Amino acid sequence: KQEVTQIPAALSVPEGENLVLNCSFTDSAIYNLQWFRQDPGKGLTSLLLIQSSQREQTSGRLNASLDKSSGRSTLYIAASQPGDSATYLCAVRNTNAGKSTFGDGTTLTVKP
Amino acid sequence: EPEVTQTPSHQVTQMGQEVILRCVPISNHLYFYWYRQILGQKVEFLVSFYNNEISEKSEIFDDQFSVERPDGSNFTLKIRSTKLEDSAMYFCAGKGTGTPFFGQGTRLTVV
Repeated sequence: KQEVTQIPAALSVPEGENLVLNCSFTDSAIYNLQWFRQDPGKGLTSLLLIQSSQREQTSGRLNASLDKSSGRSTLYIAASQPGDSATYLCAVRNTNAGKSTFGDGTTLTVKP
Repeated sequence: EPEVTQTPSHQVTQMGQEVILRCVPISNHLYFYWYRQILGQKVEFLVSFYNNEISEKSEIFDDQFSVERPDGSNFTLKIRSTKLEDSAMYFCAGKGTGTPFFGQGTRLTVV
């Protein structure tokens, strides 16, 4: 059974800092891994998707890496801004049509 | 970007009542999913649906839950007799050949 863990559970940083969020998964035979953003009481916004054959993906100030063999992914946020404050969720799929298994998320607060 | 639409955005119901949550996937979607997120907890898988039948379900998806695609467009989740603990955000997702697209969720409040 796939299990996804995210560390830390919460993170508070001053504006402008670079930061790393961590995601680990127990079954390394994944199909892909996706990072989402969730604002309080809102839906899921997809940020980055990494296929199992890829090592990283970048979008603007965000960079996600994947080390499938060790069961880890990181989300790097450069030059953080108060608008980045949200909960960041990691989700993995083990097959193309299979379910997504989510982590508990990391709640990020960026202070002005 | 194409969207998966969920209605209503918020529903309040009395305990014991039946509720139907609706999802309109993108037209070429073949696979459909429901997830729920209890306040402050992680997003949990409920059920997946393909070719008009359930392909996988979790232990949460008991006899009180059912899904169907009645008109080939809408994908619905029915809870027959709601309990207080069914209060949660429910997310629908649809998938064609690529990655699933998630809807913005329906917040269900059982009082």
